Amino acid sequence: EAGVTQFPSHSVIEKGQTVTLRCDPISGHDNLYWYRRVMGKEIKFLLHFVKESKQDESGMPNNRFLAERTGGTYSTLKVQPAELEDSGVYFCASSSRTGIYEQYFGPGTRLTVT
Amino acid sequence: GNSVTQMEGPVTLSEEAFLTINCTYTATGYPSLFWYVQYPGEGLQLLLKATKADDKGSNKGFEATYRKETTSFHLEKGSVQVSDSAVYFCALYVLTGGGNKLTFGTGTQLKVEL
Repeated sequence: EAGVTQFPSHSVIEKGQTVTLRCDPISGHDNLYWYRRVMGKEIKFLLHFVKESKQDESGMPNNRFLAERTGGTYSTLKVQPAELEDSGVYFCASSSRTGIYEQYFGPGTRLTVT
Repeated sequence: GNSVTQMEGPVTLSEEAFLTINCTYTATGYPSLFWYVQYPGEGLQLLLKATKADDKGSNKGFEATYRKETTSFHLEKGSVQVSDSAVYFCALYVLTGGGNKLTFGTGTQLKVEL
């Protein structure tokens, strides 16, 4: 069974540009989460999808971040326009309907904004 | 709110040394506790978990006991190997009142040398 995959693995963009990160969860997992780790600090929750619906987006830092999960399969996280403080590692995780706290993580996307 | 505090790294040990990484938490409600590990170039992997007081989670020689009285979940291993070099994250999940998100500590980098 394939795990959670994320693309790209690394992205370097200039301040003001737009970047879109993609996450493919484990097949059949209804729950999809985005987290972020900035500059060696703690990993912080961004938002949670149940299928295509946003269940909790309390961790989204501001309106420059837009997450979507069309059709309840893969998800994208767009940052527009990117700022220097957005640099960090963005993790995606998924869990099944029953094993809701057993979250399986992807390898992360390292975003560098210069 | 919920928070996790873990010892700062990096921690450098010789092979076969004893490892302790301290983790304490505060939580609204009754949390489940986790240790995740991130090996170089890989995503976060669940290492072990405990869901109620006095439970001991164990995996790959690592152990952690859920201590409600001291709100702690310290990670231990009796004899570390070079292959244990990684970043270790303590995390909690609260089924009610905390949404469906994991709350992480800042991570502790472990380096094991020959």
